[in-house]
Amino acid sequence: AQKITQTQPGMFVQEKEAVTLDCTYDTSDQSYGLFWYKQPSSGEMIFLIYQGSYDEQNATEGRYSLNFQKARKSANLVISASQLGDSAMYFCAMREGRVKLIFGTGTRLQVFP
Amino acid sequence: GAGVSQSPSNKVTEKGKDVELRCDPISGHTALYWYRQSLGQGLEFLIYFQGNSAPDKSGLPSDRFSAERTGGSVSTLTIQRTQQEDSAVYLCASSSGGVFYEQYFGPGTRLTVT
Repeated sequence: AQKITQTQPGMFVQEKEAVTLDCTYDTSDQSYGLFWYKQPSSGEMIFLIYQGSYDEQNATEGRYSLNFQKARKSANLVISASQLGDSAMYFCAMREGRVKLIFGTGTRLQVFP
Repeated sequence: GAGVSQSPSNKVTEKGKDVELRCDPISGHTALYWYRQSLGQGLEFLIYFQGNSAPDKSGLPSDRFSAERTGGSVSTLTIQRTQQEDSAVYLCASSSGGVFYEQYFGPGTRLTVT
């Protein structure tokens, strides 16, 4: 069965610094997709970035980039130039089959001035 | 354009009562998903609708849970004879389909069973 592991329950980062949120996954599929979502205190899940298993380049979206290491089965999220508004829960997820997303338990990021 | 909307935003109910949660997906999105998020946990898949195909109900935790999607748009998640362990945030998401298309989530319904 597919599984997502996020080992950091909480992270702190100073404003304007970069931070890496860890995510490892387990799957026997050759074709899969990895996602990162942000969940602020309002509760809504906000899509951040996507990486396909066959993508040769690491995905980037503005200040977000995904450090994809296929052999290690890791898909870490890097947030550059952190902002106070980045404080939220961050979830790594993987598409299982063609349907559902399997989510990790999340990392709570707190950005301080 | 409008995002995914859910109603009610909060629902408090007594144990044993039935509840209905509603989801309005983004217009034109063919895929609709329900997830459940218990306190301090990640999201747990419940059910998936894609067009006119039979729904994938593999994540429903018991036969007290059911969902329907009328006209390929609005969806209702029904929980019968609610239990305290059903207390959670129920999130709906929609997608324009395809294997790698991202899912857009609604704000969720916080269900509290007393």
